[in-house]
Amino acid sequence: SYILTQSPSVSVSPGQTITITCSGDKLGDKYVYWYQQKPGPSPNLVIYRDNQRPSGIPERFSASNSGNTATLTISGTQAMDEADYYCQAWDKDAAIFGGGTRLTVL
Amino acid sequence: EVQLLESGGDLVQPGGSLRLSCAASGFTFSNYAMSWVRQAPGKGLEWVSGISESGYSTYYADSVKGRFIISRDNSKNTLSLQMDSLGADDTAVYYCAKRGAPKTVMVDAFETWGQGTTVTVSS
Repeated sequence: SYILTQSPSVSVSPGQTITITCSGDKLGDKYVYWYQQKPGPSPNLVIYRDNQRPSGIPERFSASNSGNTATLTISGTQAMDEADYYCQAWDKDAAIFGGGTRLTVL
Repeated sequence: EVQLLESGGDLVQPGGSLRLSCAASGFTFSNYAMSWVRQAPGKGLEWVSGISESGYSTYYADSVKGRFIISRDNSKNTLSLQMDSLGADDTAVYYCAKRGAPKTVMVDAFETWGQGTTVTVSS
């Protein structure tokens, strides 16, 4: 079965830029989606189709996908961005999620 | 406003059964594919099952295939998940998730999630 791999955790200082990666075999051939989950609430879509932001998602969130790696970049990170981030792709009609990356804003 | 409201979560013994429901409102339910996604305590997201707009096509994760059945009633705007032969590994918060509009760039995104319902499998 298809596997997406994320680093378990990253930390960043407020105002800095952070990149969260997601890797999978030929991931660039698939569309990647990113979800943000803060403690308690349900996940929230922040990026769809590799690099598109849904309405209401701040411009500081950007993303790309190429080769075996997709990246989510948060520029000018704010305290409110502290959350778990999950990448997701589709493989043969099944949705596959990465293990998640916990972003800590120090 | 789009809303998804899950119910049916409970404490159940190993080997038992449970039926989850998701009441949808604020959109034309029959136009959207739906899925169930779960999250075990302290763990990440795991897609469980999906169903097409009409209900004709259903899909399952290997971990639940043969034990869970997804269904929908478009006349009642309700998504369901029948869970049988439950084990400790099925303990999780179960989310109902709405896919994006068909024939749009959002079609494969989980654009709306419910608040989740908790299933605990324990003796």
